[in-house]
Amino acid sequence: GESVGLHLPTLSVQEGDNSIINCAYSNSASDYFIWYKQESGKGPQFIIDIRSNMDKRQGQRVTVLLNKTVKHLSLQIAATQPGDSAVYFCAENIGHYKLSFGAGTTVTVRA
Amino acid sequence: DADVTQTPRNRITKTGKRIMLECSQTKGHDRMYWYRQDPGLGLRLIYYSFDVKDINKGEISDGYSVSRQAQAKFSLSLESAIPNQTALYFCATSDRDTEAFFGQGTRLTVV
Repeated sequence: GESVGLHLPTLSVQEGDNSIINCAYSNSASDYFIWYKQESGKGPQFIIDIRSNMDKRQGQRVTVLLNKTVKHLSLQIAATQPGDSAVYFCAENIGHYKLSFGAGTTVTVRA
Repeated sequence: DADVTQTPRNRITKTGKRIMLECSQTKGHDRMYWYRQDPGLGLRLIYYSFDVKDINKGEISDGYSVSRQAQAKFSLSLESAIPNQTALYFCATSDRDTEAFFGQGTRLTVV
C-alpha cells in the first residue's frame, strides 16, 4: 500500500550544524504534509506544514522542502541545538485530514 | 492546562480485561483521533471522528471500539485486551484544515 517513509532512522549532528531529515512518500494524491517533533515522554508536536501547491516553506530555524517530482519531503533545522534532540516524523494527509506517518528519525545533538 | 488530556497516563492490565482510555480536549475542535505507536513505527490510525455522530475506522481498528460522548470527549476501549495491544496510545484533535494536536499519550501494557 501507499505509505510515508523516512530515509534514515537515526541522525547524529554536531551542535550548531544544520540538520537535514528526509522523507519519501508514495501517495501522489497527497495535498498536505506535516513535520512533527516528539520528545521523550511526550506526544508529537507540530513543527511546520506545507501544501502540495508549494515547494518550500520556512519557519523559525526550520525549512520544509517538497519535491513532488520525486515525492520527497525534507526538514532542515538551522543551527541545531541540544533541545532539538527528538524523534521527527513526517506525515501526509491521506484524505479528510487523516494522517499517515513515517517511522520517524531520531536526531541526537552532540555537544 | 493541556489542550488535549489523556487518562490514564500509564496502565498495566491483564489479558482478557476490558479497559477504556479517555481523551478530552479544550480546543473546541470537531475532529478527534486515536493513534497507536509501537517502537520503530510511526503512529497508526485506529479510529477517527469528525463530529459527535460520525465515527470511522482507521487502518488498525480490529480489537478496539470508540465512543464520542461529546464534542470534547473521545474514548477508546479494548474489549478484551491482548498482549500485542501493548503500545503507546495517542489522542489527537484537529480543526478542518489544520494540523492535529496530540495528547501526552497513554502507555498501556497488557500482561
